[in-house]
Amino acid sequence: SQQGEEDPQALSIQEGENATMNCSYKTSINNLQWYRQNSGRGLVHLILIRSNEREKHSGRLRVTLDTSKKSSSLLITASRAADTASYFCATSSQGNNRLAFGKGNQVVVIP
Amino acid sequence: EPEVTQTPSHQVTQMGQEVILRCVPISNHLYFYWYRQILGQKVEFLVSFYNNEISEKSEIFDDQFSVERPDGSNFTLKIRSTKLEDSAMYFCASSSRQGSTEAFFGQGTRLTVV
Repeated sequence: SQQGEEDPQALSIQEGENATMNCSYKTSINNLQWYRQNSGRGLVHLILIRSNEREKHSGRLRVTLDTSKKSSSLLITASRAADTASYFCATSSQGNNRLAFGKGNQVVVIP
Repeated sequence: EPEVTQTPSHQVTQMGQEVILRCVPISNHLYFYWYRQILGQKVEFLVSFYNNEISEKSEIFDDQFSVERPDGSNFTLKIRSTKLEDSAMYFCASSSRQGSTEAFFGQGTRLTVV
């Protein structure tokens, strides 16, 4: 079964710096989505990139997708303290209802 | 902005008791989901629901679990006889289309089985 998996790293960066995190998966996908989760809270959808797209931007977010390597990256530019959260990638495959989530990356932005 | 709402935010129950977790999906959405997240672990898919029936379920979603959309707005997850290992955050989600668009998640219900 497909599986999104982030590199299991915790990032600690200064406010204003960029944060990059990666995700790899194992099978063919329809799309890949990134979610943010503040401590003990719900999942907030950030951005969706389809399998035929290579890069997408939304505000300070930039997502890339490399289907040949089965990997994606999420870049947050000019980070803010409010960006402190866990970030998850989740994949969806054709004809499949479920999202397969990765383990999440903890990002701490120091003011 | 429309959102998925879940109640209660926190539920404590005795092992063996039945619990019902409630969700109100976004009103024009057609696909509904339950996921769970055991503390410190991945978010795991439980079940998807479309057109008043289960469209897909995971191996976690055994006979102890059931879902229902009793009145056209609420979407419930019932656990018949809770076990300690059912303790987790349970998330409801909804989407307008299957798979090809984003799913919107609720804030979750933290279930603690004692």
